[in-house]
Amino acid sequence: DSGVTQTPKHLITATGQRVTLRCSPRSGDLSVYWYQQSLDQGLQFLIQYYNGEERAKGNILERFSAQQFPDLHSELNLSSLELGDSALYFCASSVRTSGWENTQYFGPGTRLTVL
Amino acid sequence: SQKIEQNSEALNIQEGKTATLTCNYTNYSPAYLQWYRQDPGRGPVFLLLIRENEKEKRKERLKVTFDTTLKQSLFHITASQPADSATYLCALNTGNQFYFGTGTSLTVIP
Repeated sequence: DSGVTQTPKHLITATGQRVTLRCSPRSGDLSVYWYQQSLDQGLQFLIQYYNGEERAKGNILERFSAQQFPDLHSELNLSSLELGDSALYFCASSVRTSGWENTQYFGPGTRLTVL
Repeated sequence: SQKIEQNSEALNIQEGKTATLTCNYTNYSPAYLQWYRQDPGRGPVFLLLIRENEKEKRKERLKVTFDTTLKQSLFHITASQPADSATYLCALNTGNQFYFGTGTSLTVIP
């Protein structure tokens, strides 16, 4: 158990809908990262927050947004969902921001299925 | 942007042998490189980190090497066991971007 929690575990929705994925980092970790993993793409970095502020952005679509709250939990919002958004979404946390020895601890993931 | 390539084919080895996985990257070298293990349907788990000024790092049956000239890291599992069967990912970050390889699937046959 990494100490990172994600809810829900599974989510099934329809195209055009909006969903929110939730992540609670390990106790003491200030950084939260979001990743998307699909079969043909591997693990793709979406976005990073550090202590409530956006710190880095990867290949995140404009239909997706995220935020980190004062209690350090984070939410990833996915809107206007398309079939291609079906994937495993992972949250990870770390103590540091980026750069030096930034070991990330991953949650169990949320499996999103868009029908 | 940075690109990471790992053995695209699955690796099958006999129990007790040494498994060697390769990670190649393009562009500029990161300050460090990490290896993670991922089991089906679960999140990656951190295994080892090696810095650019380190040639080799060991942890129990695991060994990682880092060659910044070749832009390559090798990951070795010695005395492999069926429980080592998983997908292994290499990862690095450059600046504020985080990159993971697509992983190599390892199966250790009893």
